[in-house]
Amino acid sequence: QVQLQQSGAELAKPGSSVKISCKASGYTFTSYYISWIKQTTGQGLEYIGYINTGSGGTNYNEKFKGKATLTVDKSSSTAFMQLSSLTPDDSAVYYCARLQWFDYWGQGVMVTVSS
Amino acid sequence: DVVLTQTPPTLSATIGQSVSISCRSSQSLLHSNGNTYLHWLLQRPGQSPQLLIYSVSRLESGVPNRFSGSGSGTDFTLKISGVEAEDLGVYYCVQGTHAPPWTFGGGTKLELK
Repeated sequence: QVQLQQSGAELAKPGSSVKISCKASGYTFTSYYISWIKQTTGQGLEYIGYINTGSGGTNYNEKFKGKATLTVDKSSSTAFMQLSSLTPDDSAVYYCARLQWFDYWGQGVMVTVSS
Repeated sequence: DVVLTQTPPTLSATIGQSVSISCRSSQSLLHSNGNTYLHWLLQRPGQSPQLLIYSVSRLESGVPNRFSGSGSGTDFTLKISGVEAEDLGVYYCVQGTHAPPWTFGGGTKLELK
């Protein structure tokens, strides 16, 4: 069955970076793009960007340019998102989800930014 | 970017009641290819969102047929014909017609009356 397995919760200090992963299984990894979504209580669901898992090409929401960097390792069917220069506003749950229809989601990663 | 406005923000229902959720778009979601990429998600408490309906009215595999979607252009509706306890949570609409970026509605919380 299709699964997207994300890495564990992160506690990070302001100004630092975190890199979270999303490992796919149960389907041909390069047949679907992977998107990343931010969820906060106040802002709901926000699209961060997507990565073409075949070519590595990326698209970013303007709001997250310079904040998020998306990469992929086809050999392990894993997508990654690095968040840099963290501030408390980056504290949220981050999901990966399969495009085109958001038909499968990871379990989410809670990132907490605190000194 | 396309703005999706969901109403109501909160919906109280009894088990067995039929309810509807509205999603209104700031632009027509009819794509130049003739398709309309408006989808509905449900996020149960403590869980990830899951896809219920895609392209306005197509039921995702495994989703009960008490869920139905309708609409066109800028106005869309999700209907639940006979709420069950497992339906409680937050419903989101999301558009892909004018993507990227994909944009989400603000959510409608379905709770028990």
